[in-house]
Amino acid sequence: NAGVTQTPKFQVLKTGQSMTLQCAQDMNHNSMYWYRQDPGMGLRLIYYSASEGTTDKGEVPNGYNVSRLNKREFSLRLESAAPSQTSVYFCASSLGRVNQPQHFGDGTRLSIL
Amino acid sequence: RKEVEQDPGPFNVPEGATVAFNCTYSNSASQSFFWYRQDCRKEPKLLMSVYSSGNEDGRFTAQLNRASQYISLLIRDSKLSDSATYLCVVIPWNNNDMRFGAGTRLTVKP
Repeated sequence: NAGVTQTPKFQVLKTGQSMTLQCAQDMNHNSMYWYRQDPGMGLRLIYYSASEGTTDKGEVPNGYNVSRLNKREFSLRLESAAPSQTSVYFCASSLGRVNQPQHFGDGTRLSIL
Repeated sequence: RKEVEQDPGPFNVPEGATVAFNCTYSNSASQSFFWYRQDCRKEPKLLMSVYSSGNEDGRFTAQLNRASQYISLLIRDSKLSDSATYLCVVIPWNNNDMRFGAGTRLTVKP
């Protein structure tokens, strides 16, 4: 019962470096999401993919890009990392986009120096 | 004003106590509500949905007050294992994005 799997779990980058966070789900869910969580703030939506082949911006998309590679996989890319992107990143998936609870991966802790 | 607001706590209660959290939301046109639980350095996990008529799951009771725009979570007979941060989640009518509160931290002590 893997659910939502994220890699890596931890990463330290230097300012200006790029990297891709990977996410895969095995629940045959249609919709997938990327969030960031910062101290004292709720989870904030970066990008989402309502279904395979579509992606849309969330609340805080600047500095990020995403790819919905297939139904299972949804990756998040930082092209030029900045210290303000230091955060915990969560991937989530849901059966659909309307009124469906989301299931989360166990997070990626990213530090940018 | 934040779209979803919660008292950050911490709430420190003894085992066996009853504790309640409220969460207020600003968008009156909100359609769905959930409570999630998040343990320290872990991912959020769905605790329960919140229905208009109120609903109960074991020791947990969730209620919705649309007129005053808040939802509540009541935990009876608190256990040590209930120690966690409880996140309130609201889905507005005008879009389908989940809006998270920053969470209320609960510590249950022996």
